[in-house]
Amino acid sequence: KQEVTQIPAALSVPEGENLVLNCSFTDSAIYNLQWFRQDPGKGLTSLLLIQSSQREQTSGRLNASLDKSSGRSTLYIAASQPGDSATYLCAVRPGDDKIIFGKGTRLHILP
Amino acid sequence: DTGVSQDPRHKITKRGQNVTFRCDPISEHNRLYWYRQTLGQGPEFLTYFQNEAQLEKSRLLSDRFSAERPKGSFSTLEIQRTEQGDSAMYLCASSLGGIQPQHFGDGTRLSIL
Repeated sequence: KQEVTQIPAALSVPEGENLVLNCSFTDSAIYNLQWFRQDPGKGLTSLLLIQSSQREQTSGRLNASLDKSSGRSTLYIAASQPGDSATYLCAVRPGDDKIIFGKGTRLHILP
Repeated sequence: DTGVSQDPRHKITKRGQNVTFRCDPISEHNRLYWYRQTLGQGPEFLTYFQNEAQLEKSRLLSDRFSAERPKGSFSTLEIQRTEQGDSAMYLCASSLGGIQPQHFGDGTRLSIL
């Protein structure tokens, strides 16, 4: 059974710092891995999607890496801003149906 | 904006009542998914449709839950005889099918008094 774990569960950092969020998954047989952002009381916004054949994806200040063989992914956020405060969810796609999510990392950027 | 639309955004009801949520997917998306998210947890898969056919249901979907997508467009999720444990955010997503990315709505937050 595929399980997704995110560490840490919560993180507070001063504005301007670079930070890394970690994600691990138990079964390397995935089609892709996706990072989402969720603001309080809101739905999910897709940030980056990495196909299983890819190693990383970048969008602006965000960079996500994927090491499928070790079952790990990281989300790197450069020069953090207060507007980055949110919950970040890691999710894997084991098949063409459901997405399996981690519990998320609650990020708070201190002004 | 023609994203995934969910209605209502919030629903407060007493235990034992029936509730129904609606999801309108992105036009031409033939896949529609329902997820449930409780506080402090990630979303958990409930069920999904390919056009009007319901292809998979999670064990989380007890017999009090029923989902439909009658014409392969919008979908409804009904919960009968609601319980305290049904309090959650119910998220809908749609996609073009296969392993195409799923696009999520803003969810319906259900609170059971």
